[in-house]
Amino acid sequence: NAGVTQTPKFQVLKTGQSMTLQCAQDMNHNSMYWYRQDPGMGLRLIYYSASEGTTDKGEVPNGYNVSRLNKREFSLRLESAAPSQTSVYFCASSEVQANYGYTFGSGTRLTVV
Amino acid sequence: GQQLNQSPQSMFIQEGEDVSMNCTSSSIFNTWLWYKQDPGEGPVLLIALYKAGELTSNGRLTAQFGITRKDSFLNISASIPSDVGIYFCAGPNYGGSQGNLIFGKGTKLSVKP
Repeated sequence: NAGVTQTPKFQVLKTGQSMTLQCAQDMNHNSMYWYRQDPGMGLRLIYYSASEGTTDKGEVPNGYNVSRLNKREFSLRLESAAPSQTSVYFCASSEVQANYGYTFGSGTRLTVV
Repeated sequence: GQQLNQSPQSMFIQEGEDVSMNCTSSSIFNTWLWYKQDPGEGPVLLIALYKAGELTSNGRLTAQFGITRKDSFLNISASIPSDVGIYFCAGPNYGGSQGNLIFGKGTKLSVKP
């Protein structure tokens, strides 16, 4: 099915470990995004990529890095995981104009102990 | 920066009841989007509004773009158990470099059979 695919769905890390969250879309969208969702906080933008080859910080970028590998793939890396990064992470994609909305993946639930 | 305030934060209703929720902002929006997030899934776009005063329906859901451009409303008629989830409003943040979407913190809906 067309859409946004995220892997893994669940992950438990120890403090200080690193990992990369993967995201791929097959809708030929130009823009891709990483959000985190915490209880009572809604969806907060971590990083986004307006087009292949560009990335920009969002609202909460500290502790994260991203790579736009090609038009389809946008990965999020935690270099040294902290308990404060326990969250549900969503990748999304869109046409250049945000007015038409984003298509979200099903999320990665990350726990840092 | 721009913020979206959703109310109520949560609702507990009986199956068959109608539901109303709203989203307000201190600044003008040119687009209002309503998303639903099922438990354990990513948000899915329900309705998009592009014109002040616009009223748009999607099955039992009806959303309105407020005339002031600073608010939007979502109504669900004759609620059923599968309406359970979190409802988010969103709009393009033109303070950003490309108008990324910003999201309200959501209204959590619980439906009692």
